[in-house]
Amino acid sequence: SQTIHQWPATLVQPVGSPLSLECTVEGTSNPNLYWYRQAAGRGLQLLFYSVGIGQISSEVPQNLSASRPQDRQFILSSKKLLLSDSGFYLCAWSRDRAYEQYFGPGTRLTVT
Amino acid sequence: KNQVEQSPQSLIILEGKNCTLQCNYTVSPFSNLRWYKQDTGRGPVSLTIMTFSENTKSNGRYTATLDADTKQSSLHITASQLSDSASYICVVSAMTTDSWGKLQFGAGTQVVVTP
Repeated sequence: SQTIHQWPATLVQPVGSPLSLECTVEGTSNPNLYWYRQAAGRGLQLLFYSVGIGQISSEVPQNLSASRPQDRQFILSSKKLLLSDSGFYLCAWSRDRAYEQYFGPGTRLTVT
Repeated sequence: KNQVEQSPQSLIILEGKNCTLQCNYTVSPFSNLRWYKQDTGRGPVSLTIMTFSENTKSNGRYTATLDADTKQSSLHITASQLSDSASYICVVSAMTTDSWGKLQFGAGTQVVVTP
């Protein structure tokens, strides 16, 4: 069966510090991968998606970036965090764009 | 304007009672509609997914309906349990060549089941 992991589960970082969140998927190959952010009381916002190694598409302009160094690894990064980057970050995978997306457990990021 | 609108924003129900959540969307062309359950601090978990030709689908005590003509969906929870307390999110996918699985998310309905 397929599983998706995210770490860390929670993170408190000062403004201006770098960020690296990692997501890995097991039990499948060549998945579509997604990074979402969920602000308090808001819906999920798609940040990045990837259909293959090294292929990253960005949905919104921001100070975040994503990379996919391996088939089942997706990384969300920032060089300098902003207060507005606080939120709940979710990684998801799907077999294809028409298929259901499966979400990871999420990372709660607080920028102080 | 959000292409997926959910109502009510929040709902409190007594354990054992039924409730219905609503989702209206303007996403076009329509591909599929999904309902997710999200417990606080956790990732969303899929309840149902429906395509254009499906107008009802059940998953245990959860029953989703879809009217693609009026672009409305509902999620009915039968005999609610305390564990049903969560946010329920309606998600609609558009079938376009550049969508690549991009989904339009509703803001969710927060359901609280009380003893």
